[in-house]
Order: sequence, then C-alpha cells, then structure tokens
Amino acid sequence: QVQLAQSGAEVKKPGASVKVSCKASPYMFAAYYIHWVRQAPGQGLEWLGWINPNSGATKFPQNFQGRVTMTRETSIRTAYMELSSLRSDDTAIYYCARGGGAILEHFDYWGQGTLVTVSS
Amino acid sequence: QTVVTQEPSLTVSPGGTVTLTCASSTGAVTSYNYPNWFQQRPGQAPRTLIYDTSDKHSWTPARFSGSLLGGLAALTLSDVQPEDEADYYCLLFYGAEGVFGGGTKLTVL
Repeated sequence: QVQLAQSGAEVKKPGASVKVSCKASPYMFAAYYIHWVRQAPGQGLEWLGWINPNSGATKFPQNFQGRVTMTRETSIRTAYMELSSLRSDDTAIYYCARGGGAILEHFDYWGQGTLVTVSS
Repeated sequence: QTVVTQEPSLTVSPGGTVTLTCASSTGAVTSYNYPNWFQQRPGQAPRTLIYDTSDKHSWTPARFSGSLLGGLAALTLSDVQPEDEADYYCLLFYGAEGVFGGGTKLTVL
C-alpha cells in the first residue's frame, strides 16, 4: 500500500521559513512526480507545484516564484517543500500528493497533511 | 490569471443523481487539461476519485463517473449515499501548471 508520511506540525514567526517533508513508501520513489497542495483554514485547495524526483525538475505557479523551493533525497525516498518569507496568510495545512509516472497530471495518493501556523 | 469555477453548493436526495461541473476561464475544458476530481470529508485529507477526465482508481466507488460535458469537466454521482456528503474539488492543468476550482459542498438531504 502506497503511503506518503508527512512531517509534524510547525509554528513559525512571520518572515521565517518552513520545510515540510513527505516520505514515500513502498514504491519506486524516483518514478512518480510529487505535487504539493495547501489549504488555508476553512478555504479550498491551492496547488503549489510539483517536483520530478528523478531529475529534480520543478514547476510552481507564478505567485510562488522565489518563495517556494522543492527538493528531494531519493536515497531516503523523501520530498521536501520549503516556503520562505512566511506571512500570516501562509497558515494552512500543506499536503503532498503523488502524481503520475509518465503523466504528471495523474493524481492518486495523498499525505496526511502538515499544519503550518504562522504567528507572532 | 486562470480561474476554475465550480458550483459552491449542491443538494441531492439519497438515491438520487447529481452532476458537479468545472469550468475554465480560458474556454472549453478538454482532455488536455487532465481533469482530476477529489473528495474531502471534514477533517480529512483529500482523496482522488477521478483522474484524466474519467479514469477511476481501485478505491473509487462505481457510482462516481467523470466526463466532459458541453465544454465543462463533470463529476456525476449516481445512487447517492449519505457518506457522499463532502466537499468536491476539480483540478485542471494548463501547460503542466495546476489550478483548483473553488470546491462544491455537496449536501445529501
């Protein structure tokens, strides 16, 4: 059974950075894209981007350029999403989700989510 | 800025049929937008129901189906069950960039 296990909740101050991890098992990690999605309290889902764990290639929406970084460590089957210059409106649950192998747009499994709270 | 629009809320009776739609501000939704549909119950992570317009996962109940209807992506629920009450989100892709719809709150009453 595919599982995406995310790191625990974080509390950060405005202006700080947060790094969320997503550990995949028990499939071939490098063969499937990882997407990141967030959900602010009481709001809808927002797509944050993807990483190709094989090549390290990434893509983000324009409004997150320069603020989000996605990386991976294939040896431990883990993907990371780092968001910098945190603001209060970055408070949200952050999810990783698996995309397709050949077709990145094919979603299947999701992580359990990581709550990031930004507060002074 | 591309906007994806869903009905904010819908109500359906148990055993009934309901269709949720997903519209794109850029024009007709096509298979090249790779529509995905997700179900989210309160306090839970989203669950993928449909990918690539109409493909189902092994866990997707047979009563859920995806399609393209009149330039929209559509999710149809047949023989609706009480446990189908949830929020439903569509996701469309534009040149490998994803945009979620605002979600539809489905009430089973």
